[in-house]
Amino acid sequence: QKEVEQNSGPLSVPEGAIASLNCTYSDRGSQSFFWYRQYSGKSPELIMSIYSNGDKEDGRFTAQLNKASQYVSLLIRDSQPSDSATYLCAVNQYNFNKFYFGSGTKLNVKP
Amino acid sequence: NAGVTQTPKFQVLKTGQSMTLQCAQDMNHNSMYWYRQDPGMGLRLIYYSASEGTTDKGEVPNGYNVSRLNKREFSLRLESAAPSQTSVYFCASSERGGSNYGYTFGSGTRLTVV
Repeated sequence: QKEVEQNSGPLSVPEGAIASLNCTYSDRGSQSFFWYRQYSGKSPELIMSIYSNGDKEDGRFTAQLNKASQYVSLLIRDSQPSDSATYLCAVNQYNFNKFYFGSGTKLNVKP
Repeated sequence: NAGVTQTPKFQVLKTGQSMTLQCAQDMNHNSMYWYRQDPGMGLRLIYYSASEGTTDKGEVPNGYNVSRLNKREFSLRLESAAPSQTSVYFCASSERGGSNYGYTFGSGTRLTVV
């Protein structure tokens, strides 16, 4: 079983819709959770972090964490074609220097 | 402010050749990391350096060595390249470990071993 699981997609949504990206993780001791966006041929860039159960909002992005169910999700409201990218979920476990990344979900926002 | 700088951006090696990937950050970060990214595999940690003078193995360290030359620089060496090491390599840094801080990534090195 992989440490962090993501649906590879692609997830296609129309412009203006809400995109919902999901991630599950295996270690209940996980403490920190991050979402990165990666455009094709580019490096990942951090967009959201979340540490506590519940929702965290930043502009059009909302991260949701449920430790009991071991999942973390990212909602993108009013999706734009510029949001088309691969979204990587990263989970930190007991060793604060070791992050496990999911393989990413490719999002396509259609104009 | 350059952030994290990696060189080279592209490299083709023959099996058995050696090379060093260079990484430097100008953000005064303590922690630095080397990842490889393969299709369908996500990012996998090769080695990391929690602070100057220390290095530790990650998930996939075999075939690699690292050097934390100073606080700014963290290099990755392939002593005898193999086709399985064909990948995109990313260097990253973090202010104080990864737990409460995300990474800043370099632009990557695309390595092909033939």
